Amino acid sequence: EPEVTQTPSHQVTQMGQEVILRCVPISNHLYFYWYRQILGQKVEFLVSFYNNEISEKSEIFDDQFSVERPDGSNFTLKIRSTKLEDSAMYFCASTSGGIGRGDEQFFGPGTRLTVL
Amino acid sequence: GEDVEQSLFLSVREGDSSVINCTYTDSSSTYLYWYKQEPGAGLQLLTYIFSNMDMKQDQRLTVLLNKKDKHLSLRIADTQTGDSAIYFCAERLTGGGNKLTFGTGTQLKVEL
Repeated sequence: EPEVTQTPSHQVTQMGQEVILRCVPISNHLYFYWYRQILGQKVEFLVSFYNNEISEKSEIFDDQFSVERPDGSNFTLKIRSTKLEDSAMYFCASTSGGIGRGDEQFFGPGTRLTVL
Repeated sequence: GEDVEQSLFLSVREGDSSVINCTYTDSSSTYLYWYKQEPGAGLQLLTYIFSNMDMKQDQRLTVLLNKKDKHLSLRIADTQTGDSAIYFCAERLTGGGNKLTFGTGTQLKVEL
């Protein structure tokens, strides 16, 4: 069964450093998302991406964040200068945009980002 | 604005039914979802319900939607130890793009 993959599974970085989180969505999917989950809190939407541009972003997704689909398979989230409060689990998701299964968003296993 | 709330914990005995509740504030939901998260894993879609439905049954899972009270529930029949996980409800809004707004999550613990 196709699945969304994410690398790395755990990233440790120093405050102020840049990080890039990588995702490979399901190959025929058209819509891509990043969500994050701070430990013990709810899953929060960050950004959605369609047709090579951001379609929606939340207040969390400020100028320190950017997304890119550099080739036909990868979807990346870059944090330019990490802060302590960026420590969280980051989930990538993708969907075909169809109506089957309620337009299910398939989630990756997540990347745990720890900012020291 | 969107706000989705759930109780934090639920403990049941193996074989009993579990009922996980969720309330939401935005009445313009199109789809409402239940996701399961096992330790260290991603979010797995369990089931969903379209907002014009009242009930949906899928094997051991029953979803009830009360639109008037903005209340969604997930009933798991014959709960097993493998059902122990965190359960999130989520809503997708009309005109809200495709983003999901998640609840706080309910930790289900199944005891022998």
